Amino acid sequence: AQTVTQSQPEMSVQEAETVTLSCTYDTSESDYYLFWYKQPPSRQMILVIRQEAYKQQNATENRFSVNFQKAAKSFSLKISDSQLGDAAMYFCAYRILNSGNTPLVFGKGTRLSVIA
Amino acid sequence: GAGVSQSPSNKVTEKGKDVELRCDPISGHTALYWYRQRLGQGLEFLIYFQGNSAPDKSGLPSDRFSAERTGESVSTLTIQRTQQEDSAVYLCASSLASASGNTIYFGEGSWLTVV
Repeated sequence: AQTVTQSQPEMSVQEAETVTLSCTYDTSESDYYLFWYKQPPSRQMILVIRQEAYKQQNATENRFSVNFQKAAKSFSLKISDSQLGDAAMYFCAYRILNSGNTPLVFGKGTRLSVIA
Repeated sequence: GAGVSQSPSNKVTEKGKDVELRCDPISGHTALYWYRQRLGQGLEFLIYFQGNSAPDKSGLPSDRFSAERTGESVSTLTIQRTQQEDSAVYLCASSLASASGNTIYFGEGSWLTVV
């Protein structure tokens, strides 16, 4: 079974600074997707960034980037120039690559606080 | 609609009562998922619908939980004889079919409190 582990229950960062959230996963598959979702107090899960495991290049979306280490099964999220609006729960998620849709497997989340 | 819509937003029920939670997916999305999120925890997969295929019920925690979906539209998650341990946010999500790379869109969830 696939598992996703987020070892940091809580993190904090000063506004405008950079923070890295950790995620490791366990799978026997070679092709899969990895995601980071943000969940603000409104509860709605918002996709932050996505990485295809068959791509070596790390995904980036504006201030958000990932460090994907396939051999180490590590998928960390870096948030640059942190803003107050970045404060939220962040979930790392995994999904098998196949011809149909499969459910996401989530980690337990990291609560990020941004200090003004 | 523009996004995944869930109702009710909040529900308080007495232990032993049945509850129904509703999800309206994004129009055209054939895949629909239900997740449970207990306080301070991650998301637990409950059930998944894909078009007219038999649903994947592998995540349902007990036979008190069931879900239905009408065609490729509305889904209802039913919890019978609710227990305090059922208190959680129930999140619904939907996506287009065809490939597992499709983005999954979430609703804002239904917050269930069993007293």
